[in-house]
Amino acid sequence: DAGITQSPRHKVTETGTPVTLRCHQTENHRYMYWYRQDPGHGLRLIHYSYGVKDTDKGEVSDGYSVSRSKTEDFLLTLESATSSQTSVYFCAISEGLAGATQYFGPGTRLLVL
Amino acid sequence: EDKVVQSPLSLVVHEGDTVTLNCSYEVTNFRSLLWYKQEKKAPTFLFMLTSSGIEKKSGRLSSILDKKELFSILNITATQTGDSAVYLCAVLMEYGNKLVFGAGTILRVKS
Repeated sequence: DAGITQSPRHKVTETGTPVTLRCHQTENHRYMYWYRQDPGHGLRLIHYSYGVKDTDKGEVSDGYSVSRSKTEDFLLTLESATSSQTSVYFCAISEGLAGATQYFGPGTRLLVL
Repeated sequence: EDKVVQSPLSLVVHEGDTVTLNCSYEVTNFRSLLWYKQEKKAPTFLFMLTSSGIEKKSGRLSSILDKKELFSILNITATQTGDSAVYLCAVLMEYGNKLVFGAGTILRVKS
């Protein structure tokens, strides 16, 4: 298995509070991604990174921000959590052009009350 | 808008049956099509298909891509209860190495 960890694995929070999810990789892969998974929608891309300090938006980026200050860490922040952000969040990594397959972390279950 | 559609949404079969899962797509800047299996955890990679008409095979699973008709199928022969999972199809975009996923097919194999 690809060396990807996510923390926390489960979180319950209240509407309006900030939340940060962490993705950590030991594979030295260039690309990192954040997805959310909801029933009936499959996985949807929130943000992705193609290098340190290089990030871009995905299809459902509103309400989320990201940062990548080191190759191994990719942080997802919900500035002010809402109930619609209750979801399972997956991080993924890939080498990029040479190895485009994405490998997924174990996921974080977030419940916003 | 880029779109990936999987069918059926769910199906139930008996052990030993053969199943075919479908994935059609309408995307700009297509690069490859990927299949993942998801049990109650993270998706795990099955196949990546880039060229039309070339079958990829792994044990009882096989998949093929038709870039003219914009679809792919995933076949599972002699199904087992361990094949029960959600099967996800995704298209890899040329820019940003981004994946666009279908909603998935829920497969349940009964013993």
